[in-house]
Amino acid sequence: GENVEQHPSTLSVQEGDSAVIKCTYSDSASNYFPWYKQELGKGPQLIIDIRSNVGEKKDQRIAVTLNKTAKHFSLHITETQPEDSAVYFCAANDYKLSFGAGTTVTVRA
Amino acid sequence: DVKVTQSSRYLVKRTGEKVFLECVQDMDHENMFWYRQDPGLGLRLIYFSYDVKMKEKGDIPEGYSVSREKKERFSLILESASTNQTSMYLCASNGLVGYEQYFGPGTRLTVT
Repeated sequence: GENVEQHPSTLSVQEGDSAVIKCTYSDSASNYFPWYKQELGKGPQLIIDIRSNVGEKKDQRIAVTLNKTAKHFSLHITETQPEDSAVYFCAANDYKLSFGAGTTVTVRA
Repeated sequence: DVKVTQSSRYLVKRTGEKVFLECVQDMDHENMFWYRQDPGLGLRLIYFSYDVKMKEKGDIPEGYSVSREKKERFSLILESASTNQTSMYLCASNGLVGYEQYFGPGTRLTVT
């Protein structure tokens, strides 16, 4: 099955700085790579996703890049704000979604 | 607005009890999922269902069973709860494999 590794496990950034979270996956058949954000007391919510036929996707302050050859993908958050503080999960899909362990992001005011 | 609801936010049960966790979605989705979330381990898939009365094991099905008698409802059953099943349980649904999953708020289960 798919194995997804996510780094770092915790990330503290100053408000206004950028945050980067990296994930690697093992199954070259995976073709869908979503990112979920989980706020305290809530279930995860999709913030951006990318498919294997695309190298990069951007949505306002959030971007995701995918390197299929190296089997890694990254989430970039620019101009971080306090409301970006949350746990972020990457995932990869061959038939079922496999999730990374999560990154706790803290944005310091 | 899409909605996945779970029957309880918090649940405390004793070792050996039979536990039912209920999940309901109002989006007419084909697929429903049960995950457990533990610190440092992320979300791990227990079972999923791609149609009424159909189910498939996820990565950690041991000690769990599921039931899907109606399209909108997916139940997770702990036949004999044990302390190592203390966890956050998340239900999700989607219309197509390989597309966004919508999550419920989770049930924090404590087994004492």
